[in-house]
Amino acid sequence: GEDVEQSLFLSVREGDSSVINCTYTDSSSTYLYWYKQEPGAGLQLLTYIFSNMDMKQDQRLTVLLNKKDKHLSLRIADTQTGDSAIYFCAELFSSNTGKLIFGQGTTLQVKP
Amino acid sequence: KAGVTQTPRYLIKTRGQQVTLSCSPISGHRSVSWYQQTPGQGLQFLFEYFSETQRNKGNFPGRFSGRQFSNSRSEMNVSTLELGDSALYLCASSLGQGLTNTEAFFGQGTRLTVV
Repeated sequence: GEDVEQSLFLSVREGDSSVINCTYTDSSSTYLYWYKQEPGAGLQLLTYIFSNMDMKQDQRLTVLLNKKDKHLSLRIADTQTGDSAIYFCAELFSSNTGKLIFGQGTTLQVKP
Repeated sequence: KAGVTQTPRYLIKTRGQQVTLSCSPISGHRSVSWYQQTPGQGLQFLFEYFSETQRNKGNFPGRFSGRQFSNSRSEMNVSTLELGDSALYLCASSLGQGLTNTEAFFGQGTRLTVV
């Protein structure tokens, strides 16, 4: 089936690390994504990982994938107030389609 | 390189009317997907077009339709609008095929309000 689950809210202090978690059910997923949405805006692609990788690092962002547990996480190092937004995890249904299945989104609140 | 452009940004329509939304993908991208975002249901896939053909469709009633033109621009149409159609409609563009189809880029969305 197609289902992606995320916790709804995370609050951290500026300068701390944030970890946003996601679980998915479709074991045939090829790519998994993290998108960021700021108020009144569209979705910004942050990073993605291919399903045969365990980890991907991109500046302050680290993505970890545990394929056995179908668990994906996004770690933001040195979180800033500008990182406050809603973060969506998504899986690509198959590489021959553009269909993405999204989680409900995690609201990240960064306190100064 | 220009991003994904959606027009209009905001729309207010009355129940029973119809509406057409437009999406211009990134140059060279052949796939356009549409999503509906609401507070209650989150982000839901509407449909995807690739090379002027609908390749995938979500679980929405027939009032929701779309098309894609030869220049990859896409439109979606909602007929007989209901209050529940009020949402942010997002369009995503990607290359569209195989292992190169890894990144989908979204527009700013069209905020539709049905009164």
